[in-house]
Amino acid sequence: SQQGEEDPQALSIQEGENATMNCSYKTSINNLQWYRQNSGRGLVHLILIRSNEREKHSGRLRVTLDTSKKSSSLLITASRAADTASYFCATEGFYDYKLSFGAGTTVTVRA
Amino acid sequence: EPEVTQTPSHQVTQMGQEVILRCVPISNHLYFYWYRQILGQKVEFLVSFYNNEISEKSEIFDDQFSVERPDGSNFTLKIRSTKLEDSAMYFCASSELGKGNGYTFGSGTRLTVV
Repeated sequence: SQQGEEDPQALSIQEGENATMNCSYKTSINNLQWYRQNSGRGLVHLILIRSNEREKHSGRLRVTLDTSKKSSSLLITASRAADTASYFCATEGFYDYKLSFGAGTTVTVRA
Repeated sequence: EPEVTQTPSHQVTQMGQEVILRCVPISNHLYFYWYRQILGQKVEFLVSFYNNEISEKSEIFDDQFSVERPDGSNFTLKIRSTKLEDSAMYFCASSELGKGNGYTFGSGTRLTVV
């Protein structure tokens, strides 16, 4: 299985602080994606990083990918209360047509 | 911004009954997917669909499940005879270009089998 596994499972930070979460996976990937899920709601695509990329930015989000370690990190800078959600990494392999999700990191941003 | 629309948002059904979950993908998207998330667990892939046929399916997607694109806009998931363990949030997703591109997910249908 090439499912991602996130670390930590839960994170609580103060508004304005940065939040960092990590994802590890097992087999070679075509790309890795990060999604956000607000409680009981759908998944929102945040950012996609391809296997030949090492870092990507989108607004306050920064994603890194280390294919040698089979790991990725998501950094949310200057967090806001609205960033409170669960964050999932999902990998897509070269030969399949699906995403394999990790268990997610639950982020709580305290005002 | 274009959305993937799922109906109903909640469905309660008796064990053994058939249910049909409906999805309207984004209009110019060509690749369609169903995922599910049992409460407190990971999001799991069920099936991918392209060019009017299944591209890939998981072990979960057994003979009780079927998908259909009955017209140019809807994409449905049918569960023929529901079991208690089918209770989950079911997400439809679509993608314009498929692999290597982001997916747009719907808000989900919460299915409760009693």
